[in-house]
Amino acid sequence: QSVLTQPPSASGTPGQRVTISCSGSSSNIGSNTVNWYQQLPGTAPKLLIYRNNQRPSGVPDRFSGSKSGTSASLAISGLQSEDEADYYCAAWDDSLNGWVFGGGTKLTVL
Amino acid sequence: QITLKESGPTLVKPTQTLTLTCTFSGFSLSTSGVAVGWIRQPPGKALEWLALIYWDDDKRYRPSLKSRLTITKATSKNQVVLTMTNMDPVDTATYYCAHHLHYYDNSASWDYWGQGTLVTVSS
Repeated sequence: QSVLTQPPSASGTPGQRVTISCSGSSSNIGSNTVNWYQQLPGTAPKLLIYRNNQRPSGVPDRFSGSKSGTSASLAISGLQSEDEADYYCAAWDDSLNGWVFGGGTKLTVL
Repeated sequence: QITLKESGPTLVKPTQTLTLTCTFSGFSLSTSGVAVGWIRQPPGKALEWLALIYWDDDKRYRPSLKSRLTITKATSKNQVVLTMTNMDPVDTATYYCAHHLHYYDNSASWDYWGQGTLVTVSS
């Protein structure tokens, strides 16, 4: 069982906006920034959002992140078929003195 | 351009020790703020952080696995090595090494990942 809680699945149709939630606690999301990773089938994870809402160079602005209290969200607007992937949130945990990940959300584009 | 690549055995027997090497390029592990770590992913399951080594040789381990893990660096070779003792079938996973970057506000992220290496534990 993961320290950060994500819904196991999400779906949307092309062009729609979908959000994926990530719930934690005061020792992780509540006191540290959140990163999001995209993992396409059969590939390594890729950094999608860092420091809650920053996009690395090359990541489309269709992807956005936010954080409030002990929860964070990833939003994908203008959904495309190539967005079909697993998405993971991650944060440093001060109590564990290490990184914690969410259980992952499988996004299906219908 | 930062790249990382994992190497090591694809099959280990239960109770054996696993040794994985991460060979990287495009950065130096002697640069302040830089670290390299390991994250694994059992088949069909979530990512799980294992260990982290900083430029100043500070180390962090997943608490539940701390007694089994050792992470070391060979700065001149641009390598980081992870050893995990007493391997069990539940340790079957794809093992990734990744570049860990600290930002100015002390936040951090895993910004570059290796391709991963699948390790199967079976007799």
